[in-house]
Amino acid sequence: EVQLVESGGGLVQSGGSLRLSCAASGFTFSSYWMHWVRQAPGKGLVWVSRLNSDGSTTTYADSVRDRFTISRDNAKNTLYLQMNSLRAEDTAVYYCARSYSYGSNWFDPWGQGTLVTVSS
Amino acid sequence: EIVMTQSPATLSVSPGERATLSCRASQSISSNLAWYQQKPGQAPRLLIYGASTRATGIPARFSGSGSGTEFTLTISSLQSEDFAVYYCQQYNNWPLTFGGGTKVEIK
Repeated sequence: EVQLVESGGGLVQSGGSLRLSCAASGFTFSSYWMHWVRQAPGKGLVWVSRLNSDGSTTTYADSVRDRFTISRDNAKNTLYLQMNSLRAEDTAVYYCARSYSYGSNWFDPWGQGTLVTVSS
Repeated sequence: EIVMTQSPATLSVSPGERATLSCRASQSISSNLAWYQQKPGQAPRLLIYGASTRATGIPARFSGSGSGTEFTLTISSLQSEDFAVYYCQQYNNWPLTFGGGTKVEIK
C-alpha cells in the first residue's frame, strides 16, 4: 500500500523554526517528484513547494521562498520541509503529496497532514 | 499567477441528483487541470487529471470536461459519500494553484 505519513508539526512562536518530515512507503520513493501543500484552518488548499526525484531541482511559492527549504533523503524514503522565520499566516495543516506519475504536477496520494500553529 | 475560480461556493443537491461544478482559469491552461475531493478531517483525494481522465478507482459517476479556461466536474447521481468539498487545480504554470473549492451539501 502506498502511504505517506507526516510528522513534526506543533506550536511554535512567530519567528521560530520547525522541520516537517514525510515518511514514504509502498512505492519507489526515489522515482517520484514530491510536493508540500498547506491548508489554513477552514480555508482552501495552497501549494507550497516541489522537489524533483533526485533532489536537484526545487520550486517554491512566493509566500515561502527564502524561508522554507524542501529536501529529501532517498535512502531513508523521507521528504522534509525546513520552515524558518515562521509567521502567523503560516499556520496550517501541511500535507505532503506525491506526483501522480514521473514529472506530473498533480497529486496522488496525499499524507494525512500535520498541523503547524504559529503564535504571535 | 493563474487564478482559479470555482462556482458556486456551495451547491445543495439531493441524493440521486446530478451535480455540476465549475472551475474557471484566469488564462488558458489547455487541459492541465485536476479535481480533488476532500471530506472533513481527511486529506484530499485525486478524482480527475488531464481535465477528463478519472484516477484509478474513481467511480464512473464522476466525469470531467473542458479545456482552455472553462472546466466542469459532473457527478451524475450523488451518493451519500459524495458530499464533500471539491477543488480544481491547474498545473500548466508555476506556481501550481487551486480554486477556492465548492462544497456539495445535502439538500
